[in-house]
Amino acid sequence: DAGITQSPRHKVTETGTPVTLRCHQTENHRYMYWYRQDPGHGLRLIHYSYGVKDTDKGEVSDGYSVSRSKTEDFLLTLESATSSQTSVYFCAISESKGPQETQYFGPGTRLLVL
Amino acid sequence: ELKVEQNPLFLSMQEGKNYTIYCNYSTTSDRLYWYRQDPGKSLESLFVLLSNGAVKQEGRLMASLDTKARLSTLHITAAVHDLSATYFCAVDGSFRSARQLTFGSGTQLTVLP
Repeated sequence: DAGITQSPRHKVTETGTPVTLRCHQTENHRYMYWYRQDPGHGLRLIHYSYGVKDTDKGEVSDGYSVSRSKTEDFLLTLESATSSQTSVYFCAISESKGPQETQYFGPGTRLLVL
Repeated sequence: ELKVEQNPLFLSMQEGKNYTIYCNYSTTSDRLYWYRQDPGKSLESLFVLLSNGAVKQEGRLMASLDTKARLSTLHITAAVHDLSATYFCAVDGSFRSARQLTFGSGTQLTVLP
């Protein structure tokens, strides 16, 4: 499972409140990613990180910020949650096995914004 | 902008039958992925396809890649109930070390007895 955990696993919050989701990895992977999954859209990339303090935007970054102060932790923050951010959020890491590099996904966080 | 289209989106098939899921993408890419997702679960990596003509097989699943046609297929042979899941293809169009995947919408496969 590439040693990825996400917390919390489930969260219910109200519109306008800040929310932070945590992704933790134990195997010192350089690249980490945040995706959201919504019905009919597959997964969409929000932000990614290519090292400590090195992050960049993905396809659907509006309304989200990220931080990575340690190799093992990648935080996703919704500064002021909206109902459109109700989704399942997956963290992923890249694990390189030579040319067969792939992304491995965490267990996901279900977020409901009321 | 890279677009990835899968079809069909829903597939119901009987045990023992064969079928193919198609994944088309719109721009050049150097790798394509297939994932499986069971309901309420995370994604499981199935295949990584790197070059034109690549073919990989695992059990009853076989994936292939035609980069000229920008098409990948996931072929299911003699389906069994355990293969019921949602299958996603994903394409990396970034050509960077930090892989930025664009996913298809997924194919929900139901294998009936």
